[in-house]
Amino acid sequence: DQQVKQNSPSLSVQEGRISILNCDYTNSMFDYFLWYKKYPAEGPTFLISISSIKDKNEDGRFTVFLNKSAKHLSLHIVPSQPGDSAVYFCAATILQGGSEKLVFGKGTKLTVNP
Amino acid sequence: DTEVTQTPKHLVMGMTNKKSLKCEQHMGHRAMYWYKQKAKKPPELMFVYSYEKLSINESVPSRFSPECPNSSLLNLHLHALQPEDSALYLCASSQDLVGASYEQYFGPGTRLTVT
Repeated sequence: DQQVKQNSPSLSVQEGRISILNCDYTNSMFDYFLWYKKYPAEGPTFLISISSIKDKNEDGRFTVFLNKSAKHLSLHIVPSQPGDSAVYFCAATILQGGSEKLVFGKGTKLTVNP
Repeated sequence: DTEVTQTPKHLVMGMTNKKSLKCEQHMGHRAMYWYKQKAKKPPELMFVYSYEKLSINESVPSRFSPECPNSSLLNLHLHALQPEDSALYLCASSQDLVGASYEQYFGPGTRLTVT
């Protein structure tokens, strides 16, 4: 059962435009939501996070929006740059046995065209 | 230093071999993790160590044996693996297991091929 869902396996955007990556979740017990970026042959790199008690967090070109009632979050990248081309994983943390663990979505491959 | 290093980068082993994957971080993080990632899939958690003690084992087969010799090192010992164990093995660390700004730093991974 996929608790964190990224329904778009890929997204293609023109340089300078906005990229919007979406993520849905099913478990209302998630504490934090995070976005990771992964280039081929590298490990995931943390990008931005948001607490479940907030609805927006911004860091430079990256903004994450959380809609708890809809169990939906999105990552906005504006303006998009060719170097942003990577796989983006949405992840959520949940307390299990006294430890928090990360649950990942399947990822969305973003391509930013020059 | 915000780096997690993993060795080797690539490993090819037979089903009867014994090998080890190594992971190191010098950020003073007290939690370390092993993940397995198959192609076009998300990372799947295998083990979590907190303060050098095994905290989570996600029902991983015993042919994978983790070890945390000290707070900076994490090993994954491999024995009698199957071809379906071929994957990218990622190590990660975080400051702690529970709390605000929960953020894991990942290493580049070891690409394992079992023949």
